[in-house]
Amino acid sequence: KNEVEQSPQNLTAQEGEFITINCSYSVGISALHWLQQHPGGGIVSLFMLSSGKKKHGRLIATINIQEKHSSLHITASHPRDSAVYICAVRNFGNEKLTFGTGTRLTIIP
Amino acid sequence: KAGVTQTPRYLIKTRGQQVTLSCSPISGHRSVSWYQQTPGQGLQFLFEYFSETQRNKGNFPGRFSGRQFSNSRSEMNVSTLELGDSALYLCASSLDGQRNTIYFGEGSWLTVV
Repeated sequence: KNEVEQSPQNLTAQEGEFITINCSYSVGISALHWLQQHPGGGIVSLFMLSSGKKKHGRLIATINIQEKHSSLHITASHPRDSAVYICAVRNFGNEKLTFGTGTRLTIIP
Repeated sequence: KAGVTQTPRYLIKTRGQQVTLSCSPISGHRSVSWYQQTPGQGLQFLFEYFSETQRNKGNFPGRFSGRQFSNSRSEMNVSTLELGDSALYLCASSLDGQRNTIYFGEGSWLTVV
């Protein structure tokens, strides 16, 4: 079992829909990152969380430390949100980053 | 301010050769980390440097090595290249690497033939 599991692996939705991507992890962590990767490779850090909830524009990220679970929500989705979203956890203790396999999101106009 | 810069962006090498990739972090960032991304294994952590010292290392063979210079610029080297080393190599920088936002470069696409 991977230390970081994401679901779904692929998600296709219509423009305007509310999107939720989930991340579950099995290790103790000091922080969790949500990353966005567009075709061509570049990765952008969206959020870094250690507790609670953060919001940036149409994106919201939540984390439940007790349940070892985080969600990334996108409100009023737009075709430009189409990308791969990756969850990464920083292991408590050795501080190494471990990545989920990513969720490929496609928003259809 | 300038982002994380990686060079070269694309390169093709032959099996058995060695390759050096370079990363210039954001000014003021002291932590540089390296990652390998392949379709089969996804993103994997290679190593992290902070103030010229390797602070963390992933589960890669000794053919993969790196270093960091006094100006925080970093290089990674892969010796005796194998076909399976074909990947996107990403560098990221942060203020101290532990609890700060990480900023990624565009990556270096390595093809081994």
